[in-house]
Amino acid sequence: GAGVSQSPRYKVAKRGQDVALRCDPISGHVSLFWYQQALGQGPEFLTYFQNEAQLDKSGLPSDRFFAERPEGSVSTLKIQRTQQEDSAVYLCASTSNNSPLHFGNGTRLTVT
Amino acid sequence: GENVEQHPSTLSVQEGDSAVIKCTYSDSASNYFPWYKQELGKRPQLIIDIRSNVGEKKDQRIAVTLNKTAKHFSLHITETQPEDSAVYFCAASRDGNNRLAFGKGNQVVVIP
Repeated sequence: GAGVSQSPRYKVAKRGQDVALRCDPISGHVSLFWYQQALGQGPEFLTYFQNEAQLDKSGLPSDRFFAERPEGSVSTLKIQRTQQEDSAVYLCASTSNNSPLHFGNGTRLTVT
Repeated sequence: GENVEQHPSTLSVQEGDSAVIKCTYSDSASNYFPWYKQELGKRPQLIIDIRSNVGEKKDQRIAVTLNKTAKHFSLHITETQPEDSAVYFCAASRDGNNRLAFGKGNQVVVIP
């Protein structure tokens, strides 16, 4: 079936704007993760859902970052009042029953 | 939290030679160690993983070895091919795919 789908693929925001990034996980995958990947760096954990429950949000860098997965499928990562340091690729990944983690292609966010 | 480091940051090898990338980790409770390959502008893809109850795992030209005492694990690629050129990330966690801590990545260049 289809892999993890993320939209938009690219997003340019002016500093101070709010953005919303969408992730469609693989159908049936219980677990969903968000990672932030800065240029030239490895992915850094942001948050984790099991079904609709957000079990770990310890990686969110500030209270401007908020994630939800209300029906246990699609997830949205929202960043309020974007800052230049938020510029990065935001990767979503899903898995089920400890199968390998499947990443999406990411959303490249550029804050100007 | 877990701290994962990768060495060297860039590795150039002649086609057909072997490439070895080493990672060290800090949390002795980590028990899951995956390796991901990421081509430019694409998603990270799992290539091999190992759990702490195993010392070595092999899949065709790819192998991973784990030394729990020294807290390091290595990726071995034999008979390298140009399509092996990519950035390779190691990662570690205490709880399977949850809260993976990634290294900064190794750029591998295979010279034809």
